[in-house]
Amino acid sequence: DAKTTQPPSMDCAEGRAANLPCNHSTISGNEYVYWYRQIHSQGPQYIIHGLKNNETNEMASLIITEDRKSSTLILPHATLRDTAVYYCIVHNAGGTSYGKLTFGQGTILTVHP
Amino acid sequence: DGGITQSPKYLFRKEGQNVTLSCEQNLNHDAMYWYRQDPGQGLRLIYYSQIVNDFQKGDIAEGYSVSREKKESFPLTVTSAQKNPTAFYLCASSGPGLETQYFGPGTRLLVL
Repeated sequence: DAKTTQPPSMDCAEGRAANLPCNHSTISGNEYVYWYRQIHSQGPQYIIHGLKNNETNEMASLIITEDRKSSTLILPHATLRDTAVYYCIVHNAGGTSYGKLTFGQGTILTVHP
Repeated sequence: DGGITQSPKYLFRKEGQNVTLSCEQNLNHDAMYWYRQDPGQGLRLIYYSQIVNDFQKGDIAEGYSVSREKKESFPLTVTSAQKNPTAFYLCASSGPGLETQYFGPGTRLLVL
């Protein structure tokens, strides 16, 4: 699976949009971009994933650049409960790495009142 | 409610003791996984199972053992051979597309 690069930490004001970047310049054509988050002392929570088109669900939006070398997770109206570590993962579910997710250090997002 | 349960939430192990962590899912998922997380670190894969009665070693399998006798259950045993077992252990499962993994709440293992 391709390696990802994320900033170690970010801050955001409550009610504002949080934009979390991820660089995955070595991504291959059949690899998806996944985002998970982990609130302190809990299991990771799936947020969203995409291949090349932008995606939106009830939690967030995922913007993938046309060359697929980077992406941005957008939390449109951040709340204090969104404070967590956010992991960007590139993964080919049907490949030889069967289901294995490679979690890096992630980005610690702190939402301030 | 569908989901993954792990028990216990906290577990204490004495030196030289084997302990077993429970993981149960009612999502009807074929694949299940065990990860270990150390403080301030990402998750590392211990074992995974694609189907009942089959499992594969992950990146850090030494000192651990698993079984997969039922689709719903994937218990992890931390053996006395694991010299540094103190960590947060997470179980996950995934469905037919093998895309999204759903995680349990975790078990924190401490050595006395």
